[in-house]
Amino acid sequence: QSALTQPASVSGSPGHSITISCTGTISDIGDYNYVSWYQQLPGKPPKLIIYDVNNRPSGVSNRFSGTKSGNTASLTISGLQPEDEADYYCSCYRRTSIVVFGGGTKLTVL
Amino acid sequence: QVQLQESGPGLVKPSETLSLTCSVSGGSITSNYWSWIRQPPGKGLEWIGHVSYSGTTNYNPSLKSRVTMSVDTSKRQLSLKLSYVTAADTAVYYCARDPSKVVVDWYFDLWGRGTLVTVSS
Repeated sequence: QSALTQPASVSGSPGHSITISCTGTISDIGDYNYVSWYQQLPGKPPKLIIYDVNNRPSGVSNRFSGTKSGNTASLTISGLQPEDEADYYCSCYRRTSIVVFGGGTKLTVL
Repeated sequence: QVQLQESGPGLVKPSETLSLTCSVSGGSITSNYWSWIRQPPGKGLEWIGHVSYSGTTNYNPSLKSRVTMSVDTSKRQLSLKLSYVTAADTAVYYCARDPSKVVVDWYFDLWGRGTLVTVSS
């Protein structure tokens, strides 16, 4: 059982938008803005796409955006493209100086 | 640009110690915090812990009693040791960089390609 809760799968059609939720507790997402998101293509290491809730690293498409409300963070991908099909993981700092991850969400582009 | 490369035995016997190295090339190792993260086959990510260039460590409480991390700045290498392994420790092990230069940022902007370690007799 992962520390942060994500849906196992989501799907969407090309050009549409999807949102992946990531639910934690007051000890992590609820109290800290150290939320990050990673995209993992098959057989590859994770790639950082969002950090500090809603910041994109250089080179990451602005179709990726992040938000947070209470104990839940969300990743939205707009204008879905076939190459967005991947696993997505959320992560957050947790009180007592550790990092916790979500269980991952498999995105299918229909 | 900075690259990370994990290396070590791909097969470890139960109850023995898993030892991995992460080589840092193309940039400085004497800054940032460096994490180890693992991923069992077909499963999610688990943070094992991190080490600073000065040797400061934080470990996941679930693994803390079995984990040791260190940095060798002269060799530009990070080291992970995990003792008393079982089949549950079978995973792809990644090293990853926290981008912060002063305080920890708690995210990972650079990852190695990972190395699969199987625990089996």
